[in-house]
Amino acid sequence: EAGVAQSPRYKIIEKRQSVAFWCNPISGHATLYWYQQILGQGPKLLIQFQNNGVVDDSQLPKDRFSAERLKGVDSTLKIQPAKLEDSAVYLCASSLGGLLGAGELFFGEGSRLTVL
Amino acid sequence: ELKVEQNPLFLSMQEGKNYTIYCNYSTTSDRLYWYRQDPGKSLESLFVLLSNGAVKQEGRLMASLDTKARLSTLHITAAVHDLSATYFCAVERYYGGSQGNLIFGKGTKLSVKP
Repeated sequence: EAGVAQSPRYKIIEKRQSVAFWCNPISGHATLYWYQQILGQGPKLLIQFQNNGVVDDSQLPKDRFSAERLKGVDSTLKIQPAKLEDSAVYLCASSLGGLLGAGELFFGEGSRLTVL
Repeated sequence: ELKVEQNPLFLSMQEGKNYTIYCNYSTTSDRLYWYRQDPGKSLESLFVLLSNGAVKQEGRLMASLDTKARLSTLHITAAVHDLSATYFCAVERYYGGSQGNLIFGKGTKLSVKP
């Protein structure tokens, strides 16, 4: 079974530039998450989708971050304009959902962003 | 606000020794998850604990959950070098009527030395 796919794996940009990350979840997984992991810290949820609807975006800095999941499968996360503090690994995860499986997330390899 | 605290944050062990990592959380939740992360890699699911008193074991690792004490433990038995990694606990909170919204601790970086 294919895992969660993310691209690009690495991205270096200058502050005030824009960047976009792409995620393809595990087939059949209705729920998709974007997490931000700053070096030395635990992942922090940015946004949670259920199919193509947003469940939770309370921690997404909406003045610069946006995310979409148009057809309920792939998702993109965009940052515009980037700040130095956005340097982090952006992890996409998906889950089967349902009563028992909801929280067992399957993570992709992540996209490492460096903002100079 | 749900907060998740792990301790210790750093743990240096000798091979063959036993140790326990603790995960405390601040508000009621019945579901707790443990993940492992190797350097430069993504997170791998280790255990899913879905009820009070749940205990799961896999190899040298055993996880338990006490929802009344809001505490989970990850016990390491006879540590080996291959267990060196960062271990995260994550607690599920219910948001917007949906499940699967995880709050992670800061992680425990485990180093097992010969």
